[in-house]
Amino acid sequence: KQEVTQIPAALSVPEGENLVLNCSFTDSAIYNLQWFRQDPGKGLTSLLLIQSSQREQTSGRLNASLDKSSGRSTLYIAASQPGDSATYLCAVYDTGFQKLVFGTGTRLLVSP
Amino acid sequence: KAGVTQTPRYLIKTRGQQVTLSCSPISGHRSVSWYQQTPGQGLQFLFEYFSETQRNKGNFPGRFSGRQFSNSRSEMNVSTLELGDSALYLCASTTGQGTDTQYFGPGTRLTVL
Repeated sequence: KQEVTQIPAALSVPEGENLVLNCSFTDSAIYNLQWFRQDPGKGLTSLLLIQSSQREQTSGRLNASLDKSSGRSTLYIAASQPGDSATYLCAVYDTGFQKLVFGTGTRLLVSP
Repeated sequence: KAGVTQTPRYLIKTRGQQVTLSCSPISGHRSVSWYQQTPGQGLQFLFEYFSETQRNKGNFPGRFSGRQFSNSRSEMNVSTLELGDSALYLCASTTGQGTDTQYFGPGTRLTVL
């Protein structure tokens, strides 16, 4: 059974800091890994999608890496801003179960 | 392109009632998946519909059911509501390929009293 873990559960940083969010998964049989952002009480916004054959993806200040063999992904946020405050979720699309399996999220607070 | 829409956005029901939620996917997307999000269990997969057929199902009781119409719009029904069904229900749409990005709607907040 695929399990996805995110560390840390919560993170508080001052504006301008670079930060790394971690995601690990137990079964490497995945199609892809996706990072999402969720604002309180809202739906999920897709940030980055990394296919299983890729090593990283970049979008603006965000960079996500994938090491399928070790079951790890990181989301790097450069020069953090208060508007980055949200919960960040990673999810793997499992080839066995044919569905997205989500981590429990990292709640990020960026202070001005 | 319009995003994924869900209606209604908020619902309040009492125990024992039933409820129907609706999801309209992005134009051209044929797959709709439903998820339940609660503080205790996080995001859990309910089921996926592709071309009007249920393609995958999560580990939820039979009180949770769904369907998809020929225009790819999907509905989810929960019968005999329980307090524990209070949650944010999210739907996501994709073209149907496992490698595609899943786009989520804003969710329906269901409160069961």
